[in-house]
Parts: sequence; C-alpha cells; structure tokens
Amino acid sequence: EAQVTQNPRYLITVTGKKLTVTCSQNMNHEYMSWYRQDPGLGLRQIYYSMNVEVTDKGDVPEGYKVSRKEKRNFPLILESPSPNQTSLYFCASSLAGGPKDTQYFGPGTRLTVL
Amino acid sequence: GENVEQHPSTLSVQEGDSAVIKCTYSDSASNYFPWYKQELGKRPQLIIDIRSNVGEKKDQRIAVTLNKTAKHFSLHITETQPEDSAVYFCAVHFQGAQKLVFGQGTRLTINP
Repeated sequence: EAQVTQNPRYLITVTGKKLTVTCSQNMNHEYMSWYRQDPGLGLRQIYYSMNVEVTDKGDVPEGYKVSRKEKRNFPLILESPSPNQTSLYFCASSLAGGPKDTQYFGPGTRLTVL
Repeated sequence: GENVEQHPSTLSVQEGDSAVIKCTYSDSASNYFPWYKQELGKRPQLIIDIRSNVGEKKDQRIAVTLNKTAKHFSLHITETQPEDSAVYFCAVHFQGAQKLVFGQGTRLTINP
C-alpha cells in the first residue's frame, strides 16, 4: 500500500531533551517536507527536500534540523525542544513536481514539550 | 512576501445549502492553487486544484474558481452533506519557490 508513515504518533517530552520524528514514504517520491499545524495558523512549512542530500528551509525552520540521506526517509530532529514547539507535525511527500504536485501527508505526530 | 489569507475561519451551513471559502494571495506570478480537506483527527488530503491557465474547475459537487487579476480563488461546495464537515485549507505555490504556503484554514460545519 502506498503511504507515508510517521513515528511516533504521540510524544510527550521535556525541555532540552533531543528527539527525532521519523518519516518514511514508499512511493519513490522526490519531494518531501515537514509542516507544523497550530490552531489559527494553518500548516506552516518547516523544511523541505527536493531530493537526496538536498534540503532547504521553509517558513519556520528555527529549532529544527532535517536530513535526507535516503530517498524514502526524511527525519525531523529537535536538538533542544522548547515548549513553543508543542504542535501537530505532518510529513508530506510528492512527485518530482514538488509543491506543484499532490502532497501526500503522513498521519501526524502530536508533540508536547513540557 | 508570500502571504495567503483565508476567510472565513469558521462557516456553518444547513445541509443541502452551498458553502464558499475564499483565499487571497500576494504574488501575481503564483501558478498553482490546491485545496486540502482535513477531517477531524485525520491527515489533510487534496480535494481539488487549479493551475493559473484556467479560471474554473469542477469535480462533482466541488468547484474552484480563480481570479488572477484580483489575486483570489474560491472553493465552492454545492448540496452540502454531513460528510463535508471538516477543516479546509487553501494553498498557493509561489513562482520561483519550492514550497506551498497554506491559508489559516476554515472549519466548515454542516447542520442537519
């Protein structure tokens, strides 16, 4: 089944404790991105990747890191989480057209930073 | 800068009536305008999109219209049904940028 998966789905952590949210897709998509969803603010892009080893900042990259060592995986890293990073996070992937193609979203990761 | 404004933030309509959601954007060179639907507790999913070379696109009860001169586009849902209740997001691809910018979302409630 073609899909985007994320893990974990729910995470409660404390300020400053490094964490990684994994994202994987099995559709051979070139473009992958991370969004955070906050009430009243919609979906805001954190980072995106056009292909392996190519990543770039979105609109809200501060406090986040990403890597794209393999085509199928695009992990989101929070080196030192803070409470303002409490949010619902979505990974998405699409074909080579990137933002001009259909975005396939993962199921979401709800992160709480205490 | 790249800006997308979506209105209204909440919309309540009677079952069977029509619903319209509008988005405005800042860059006249923008060329791709999708709409995503997010049901409660679920992930966003594409429901319809339009590219800058057409003014309207329909898919059954859903349509999107684009006014490039005025820099706005709208989602129209006719004969609304309870399963249309969800949050709807517009998005814009800004020319020269490899990213989508989403609107703030509209929570649509269909009242039986």
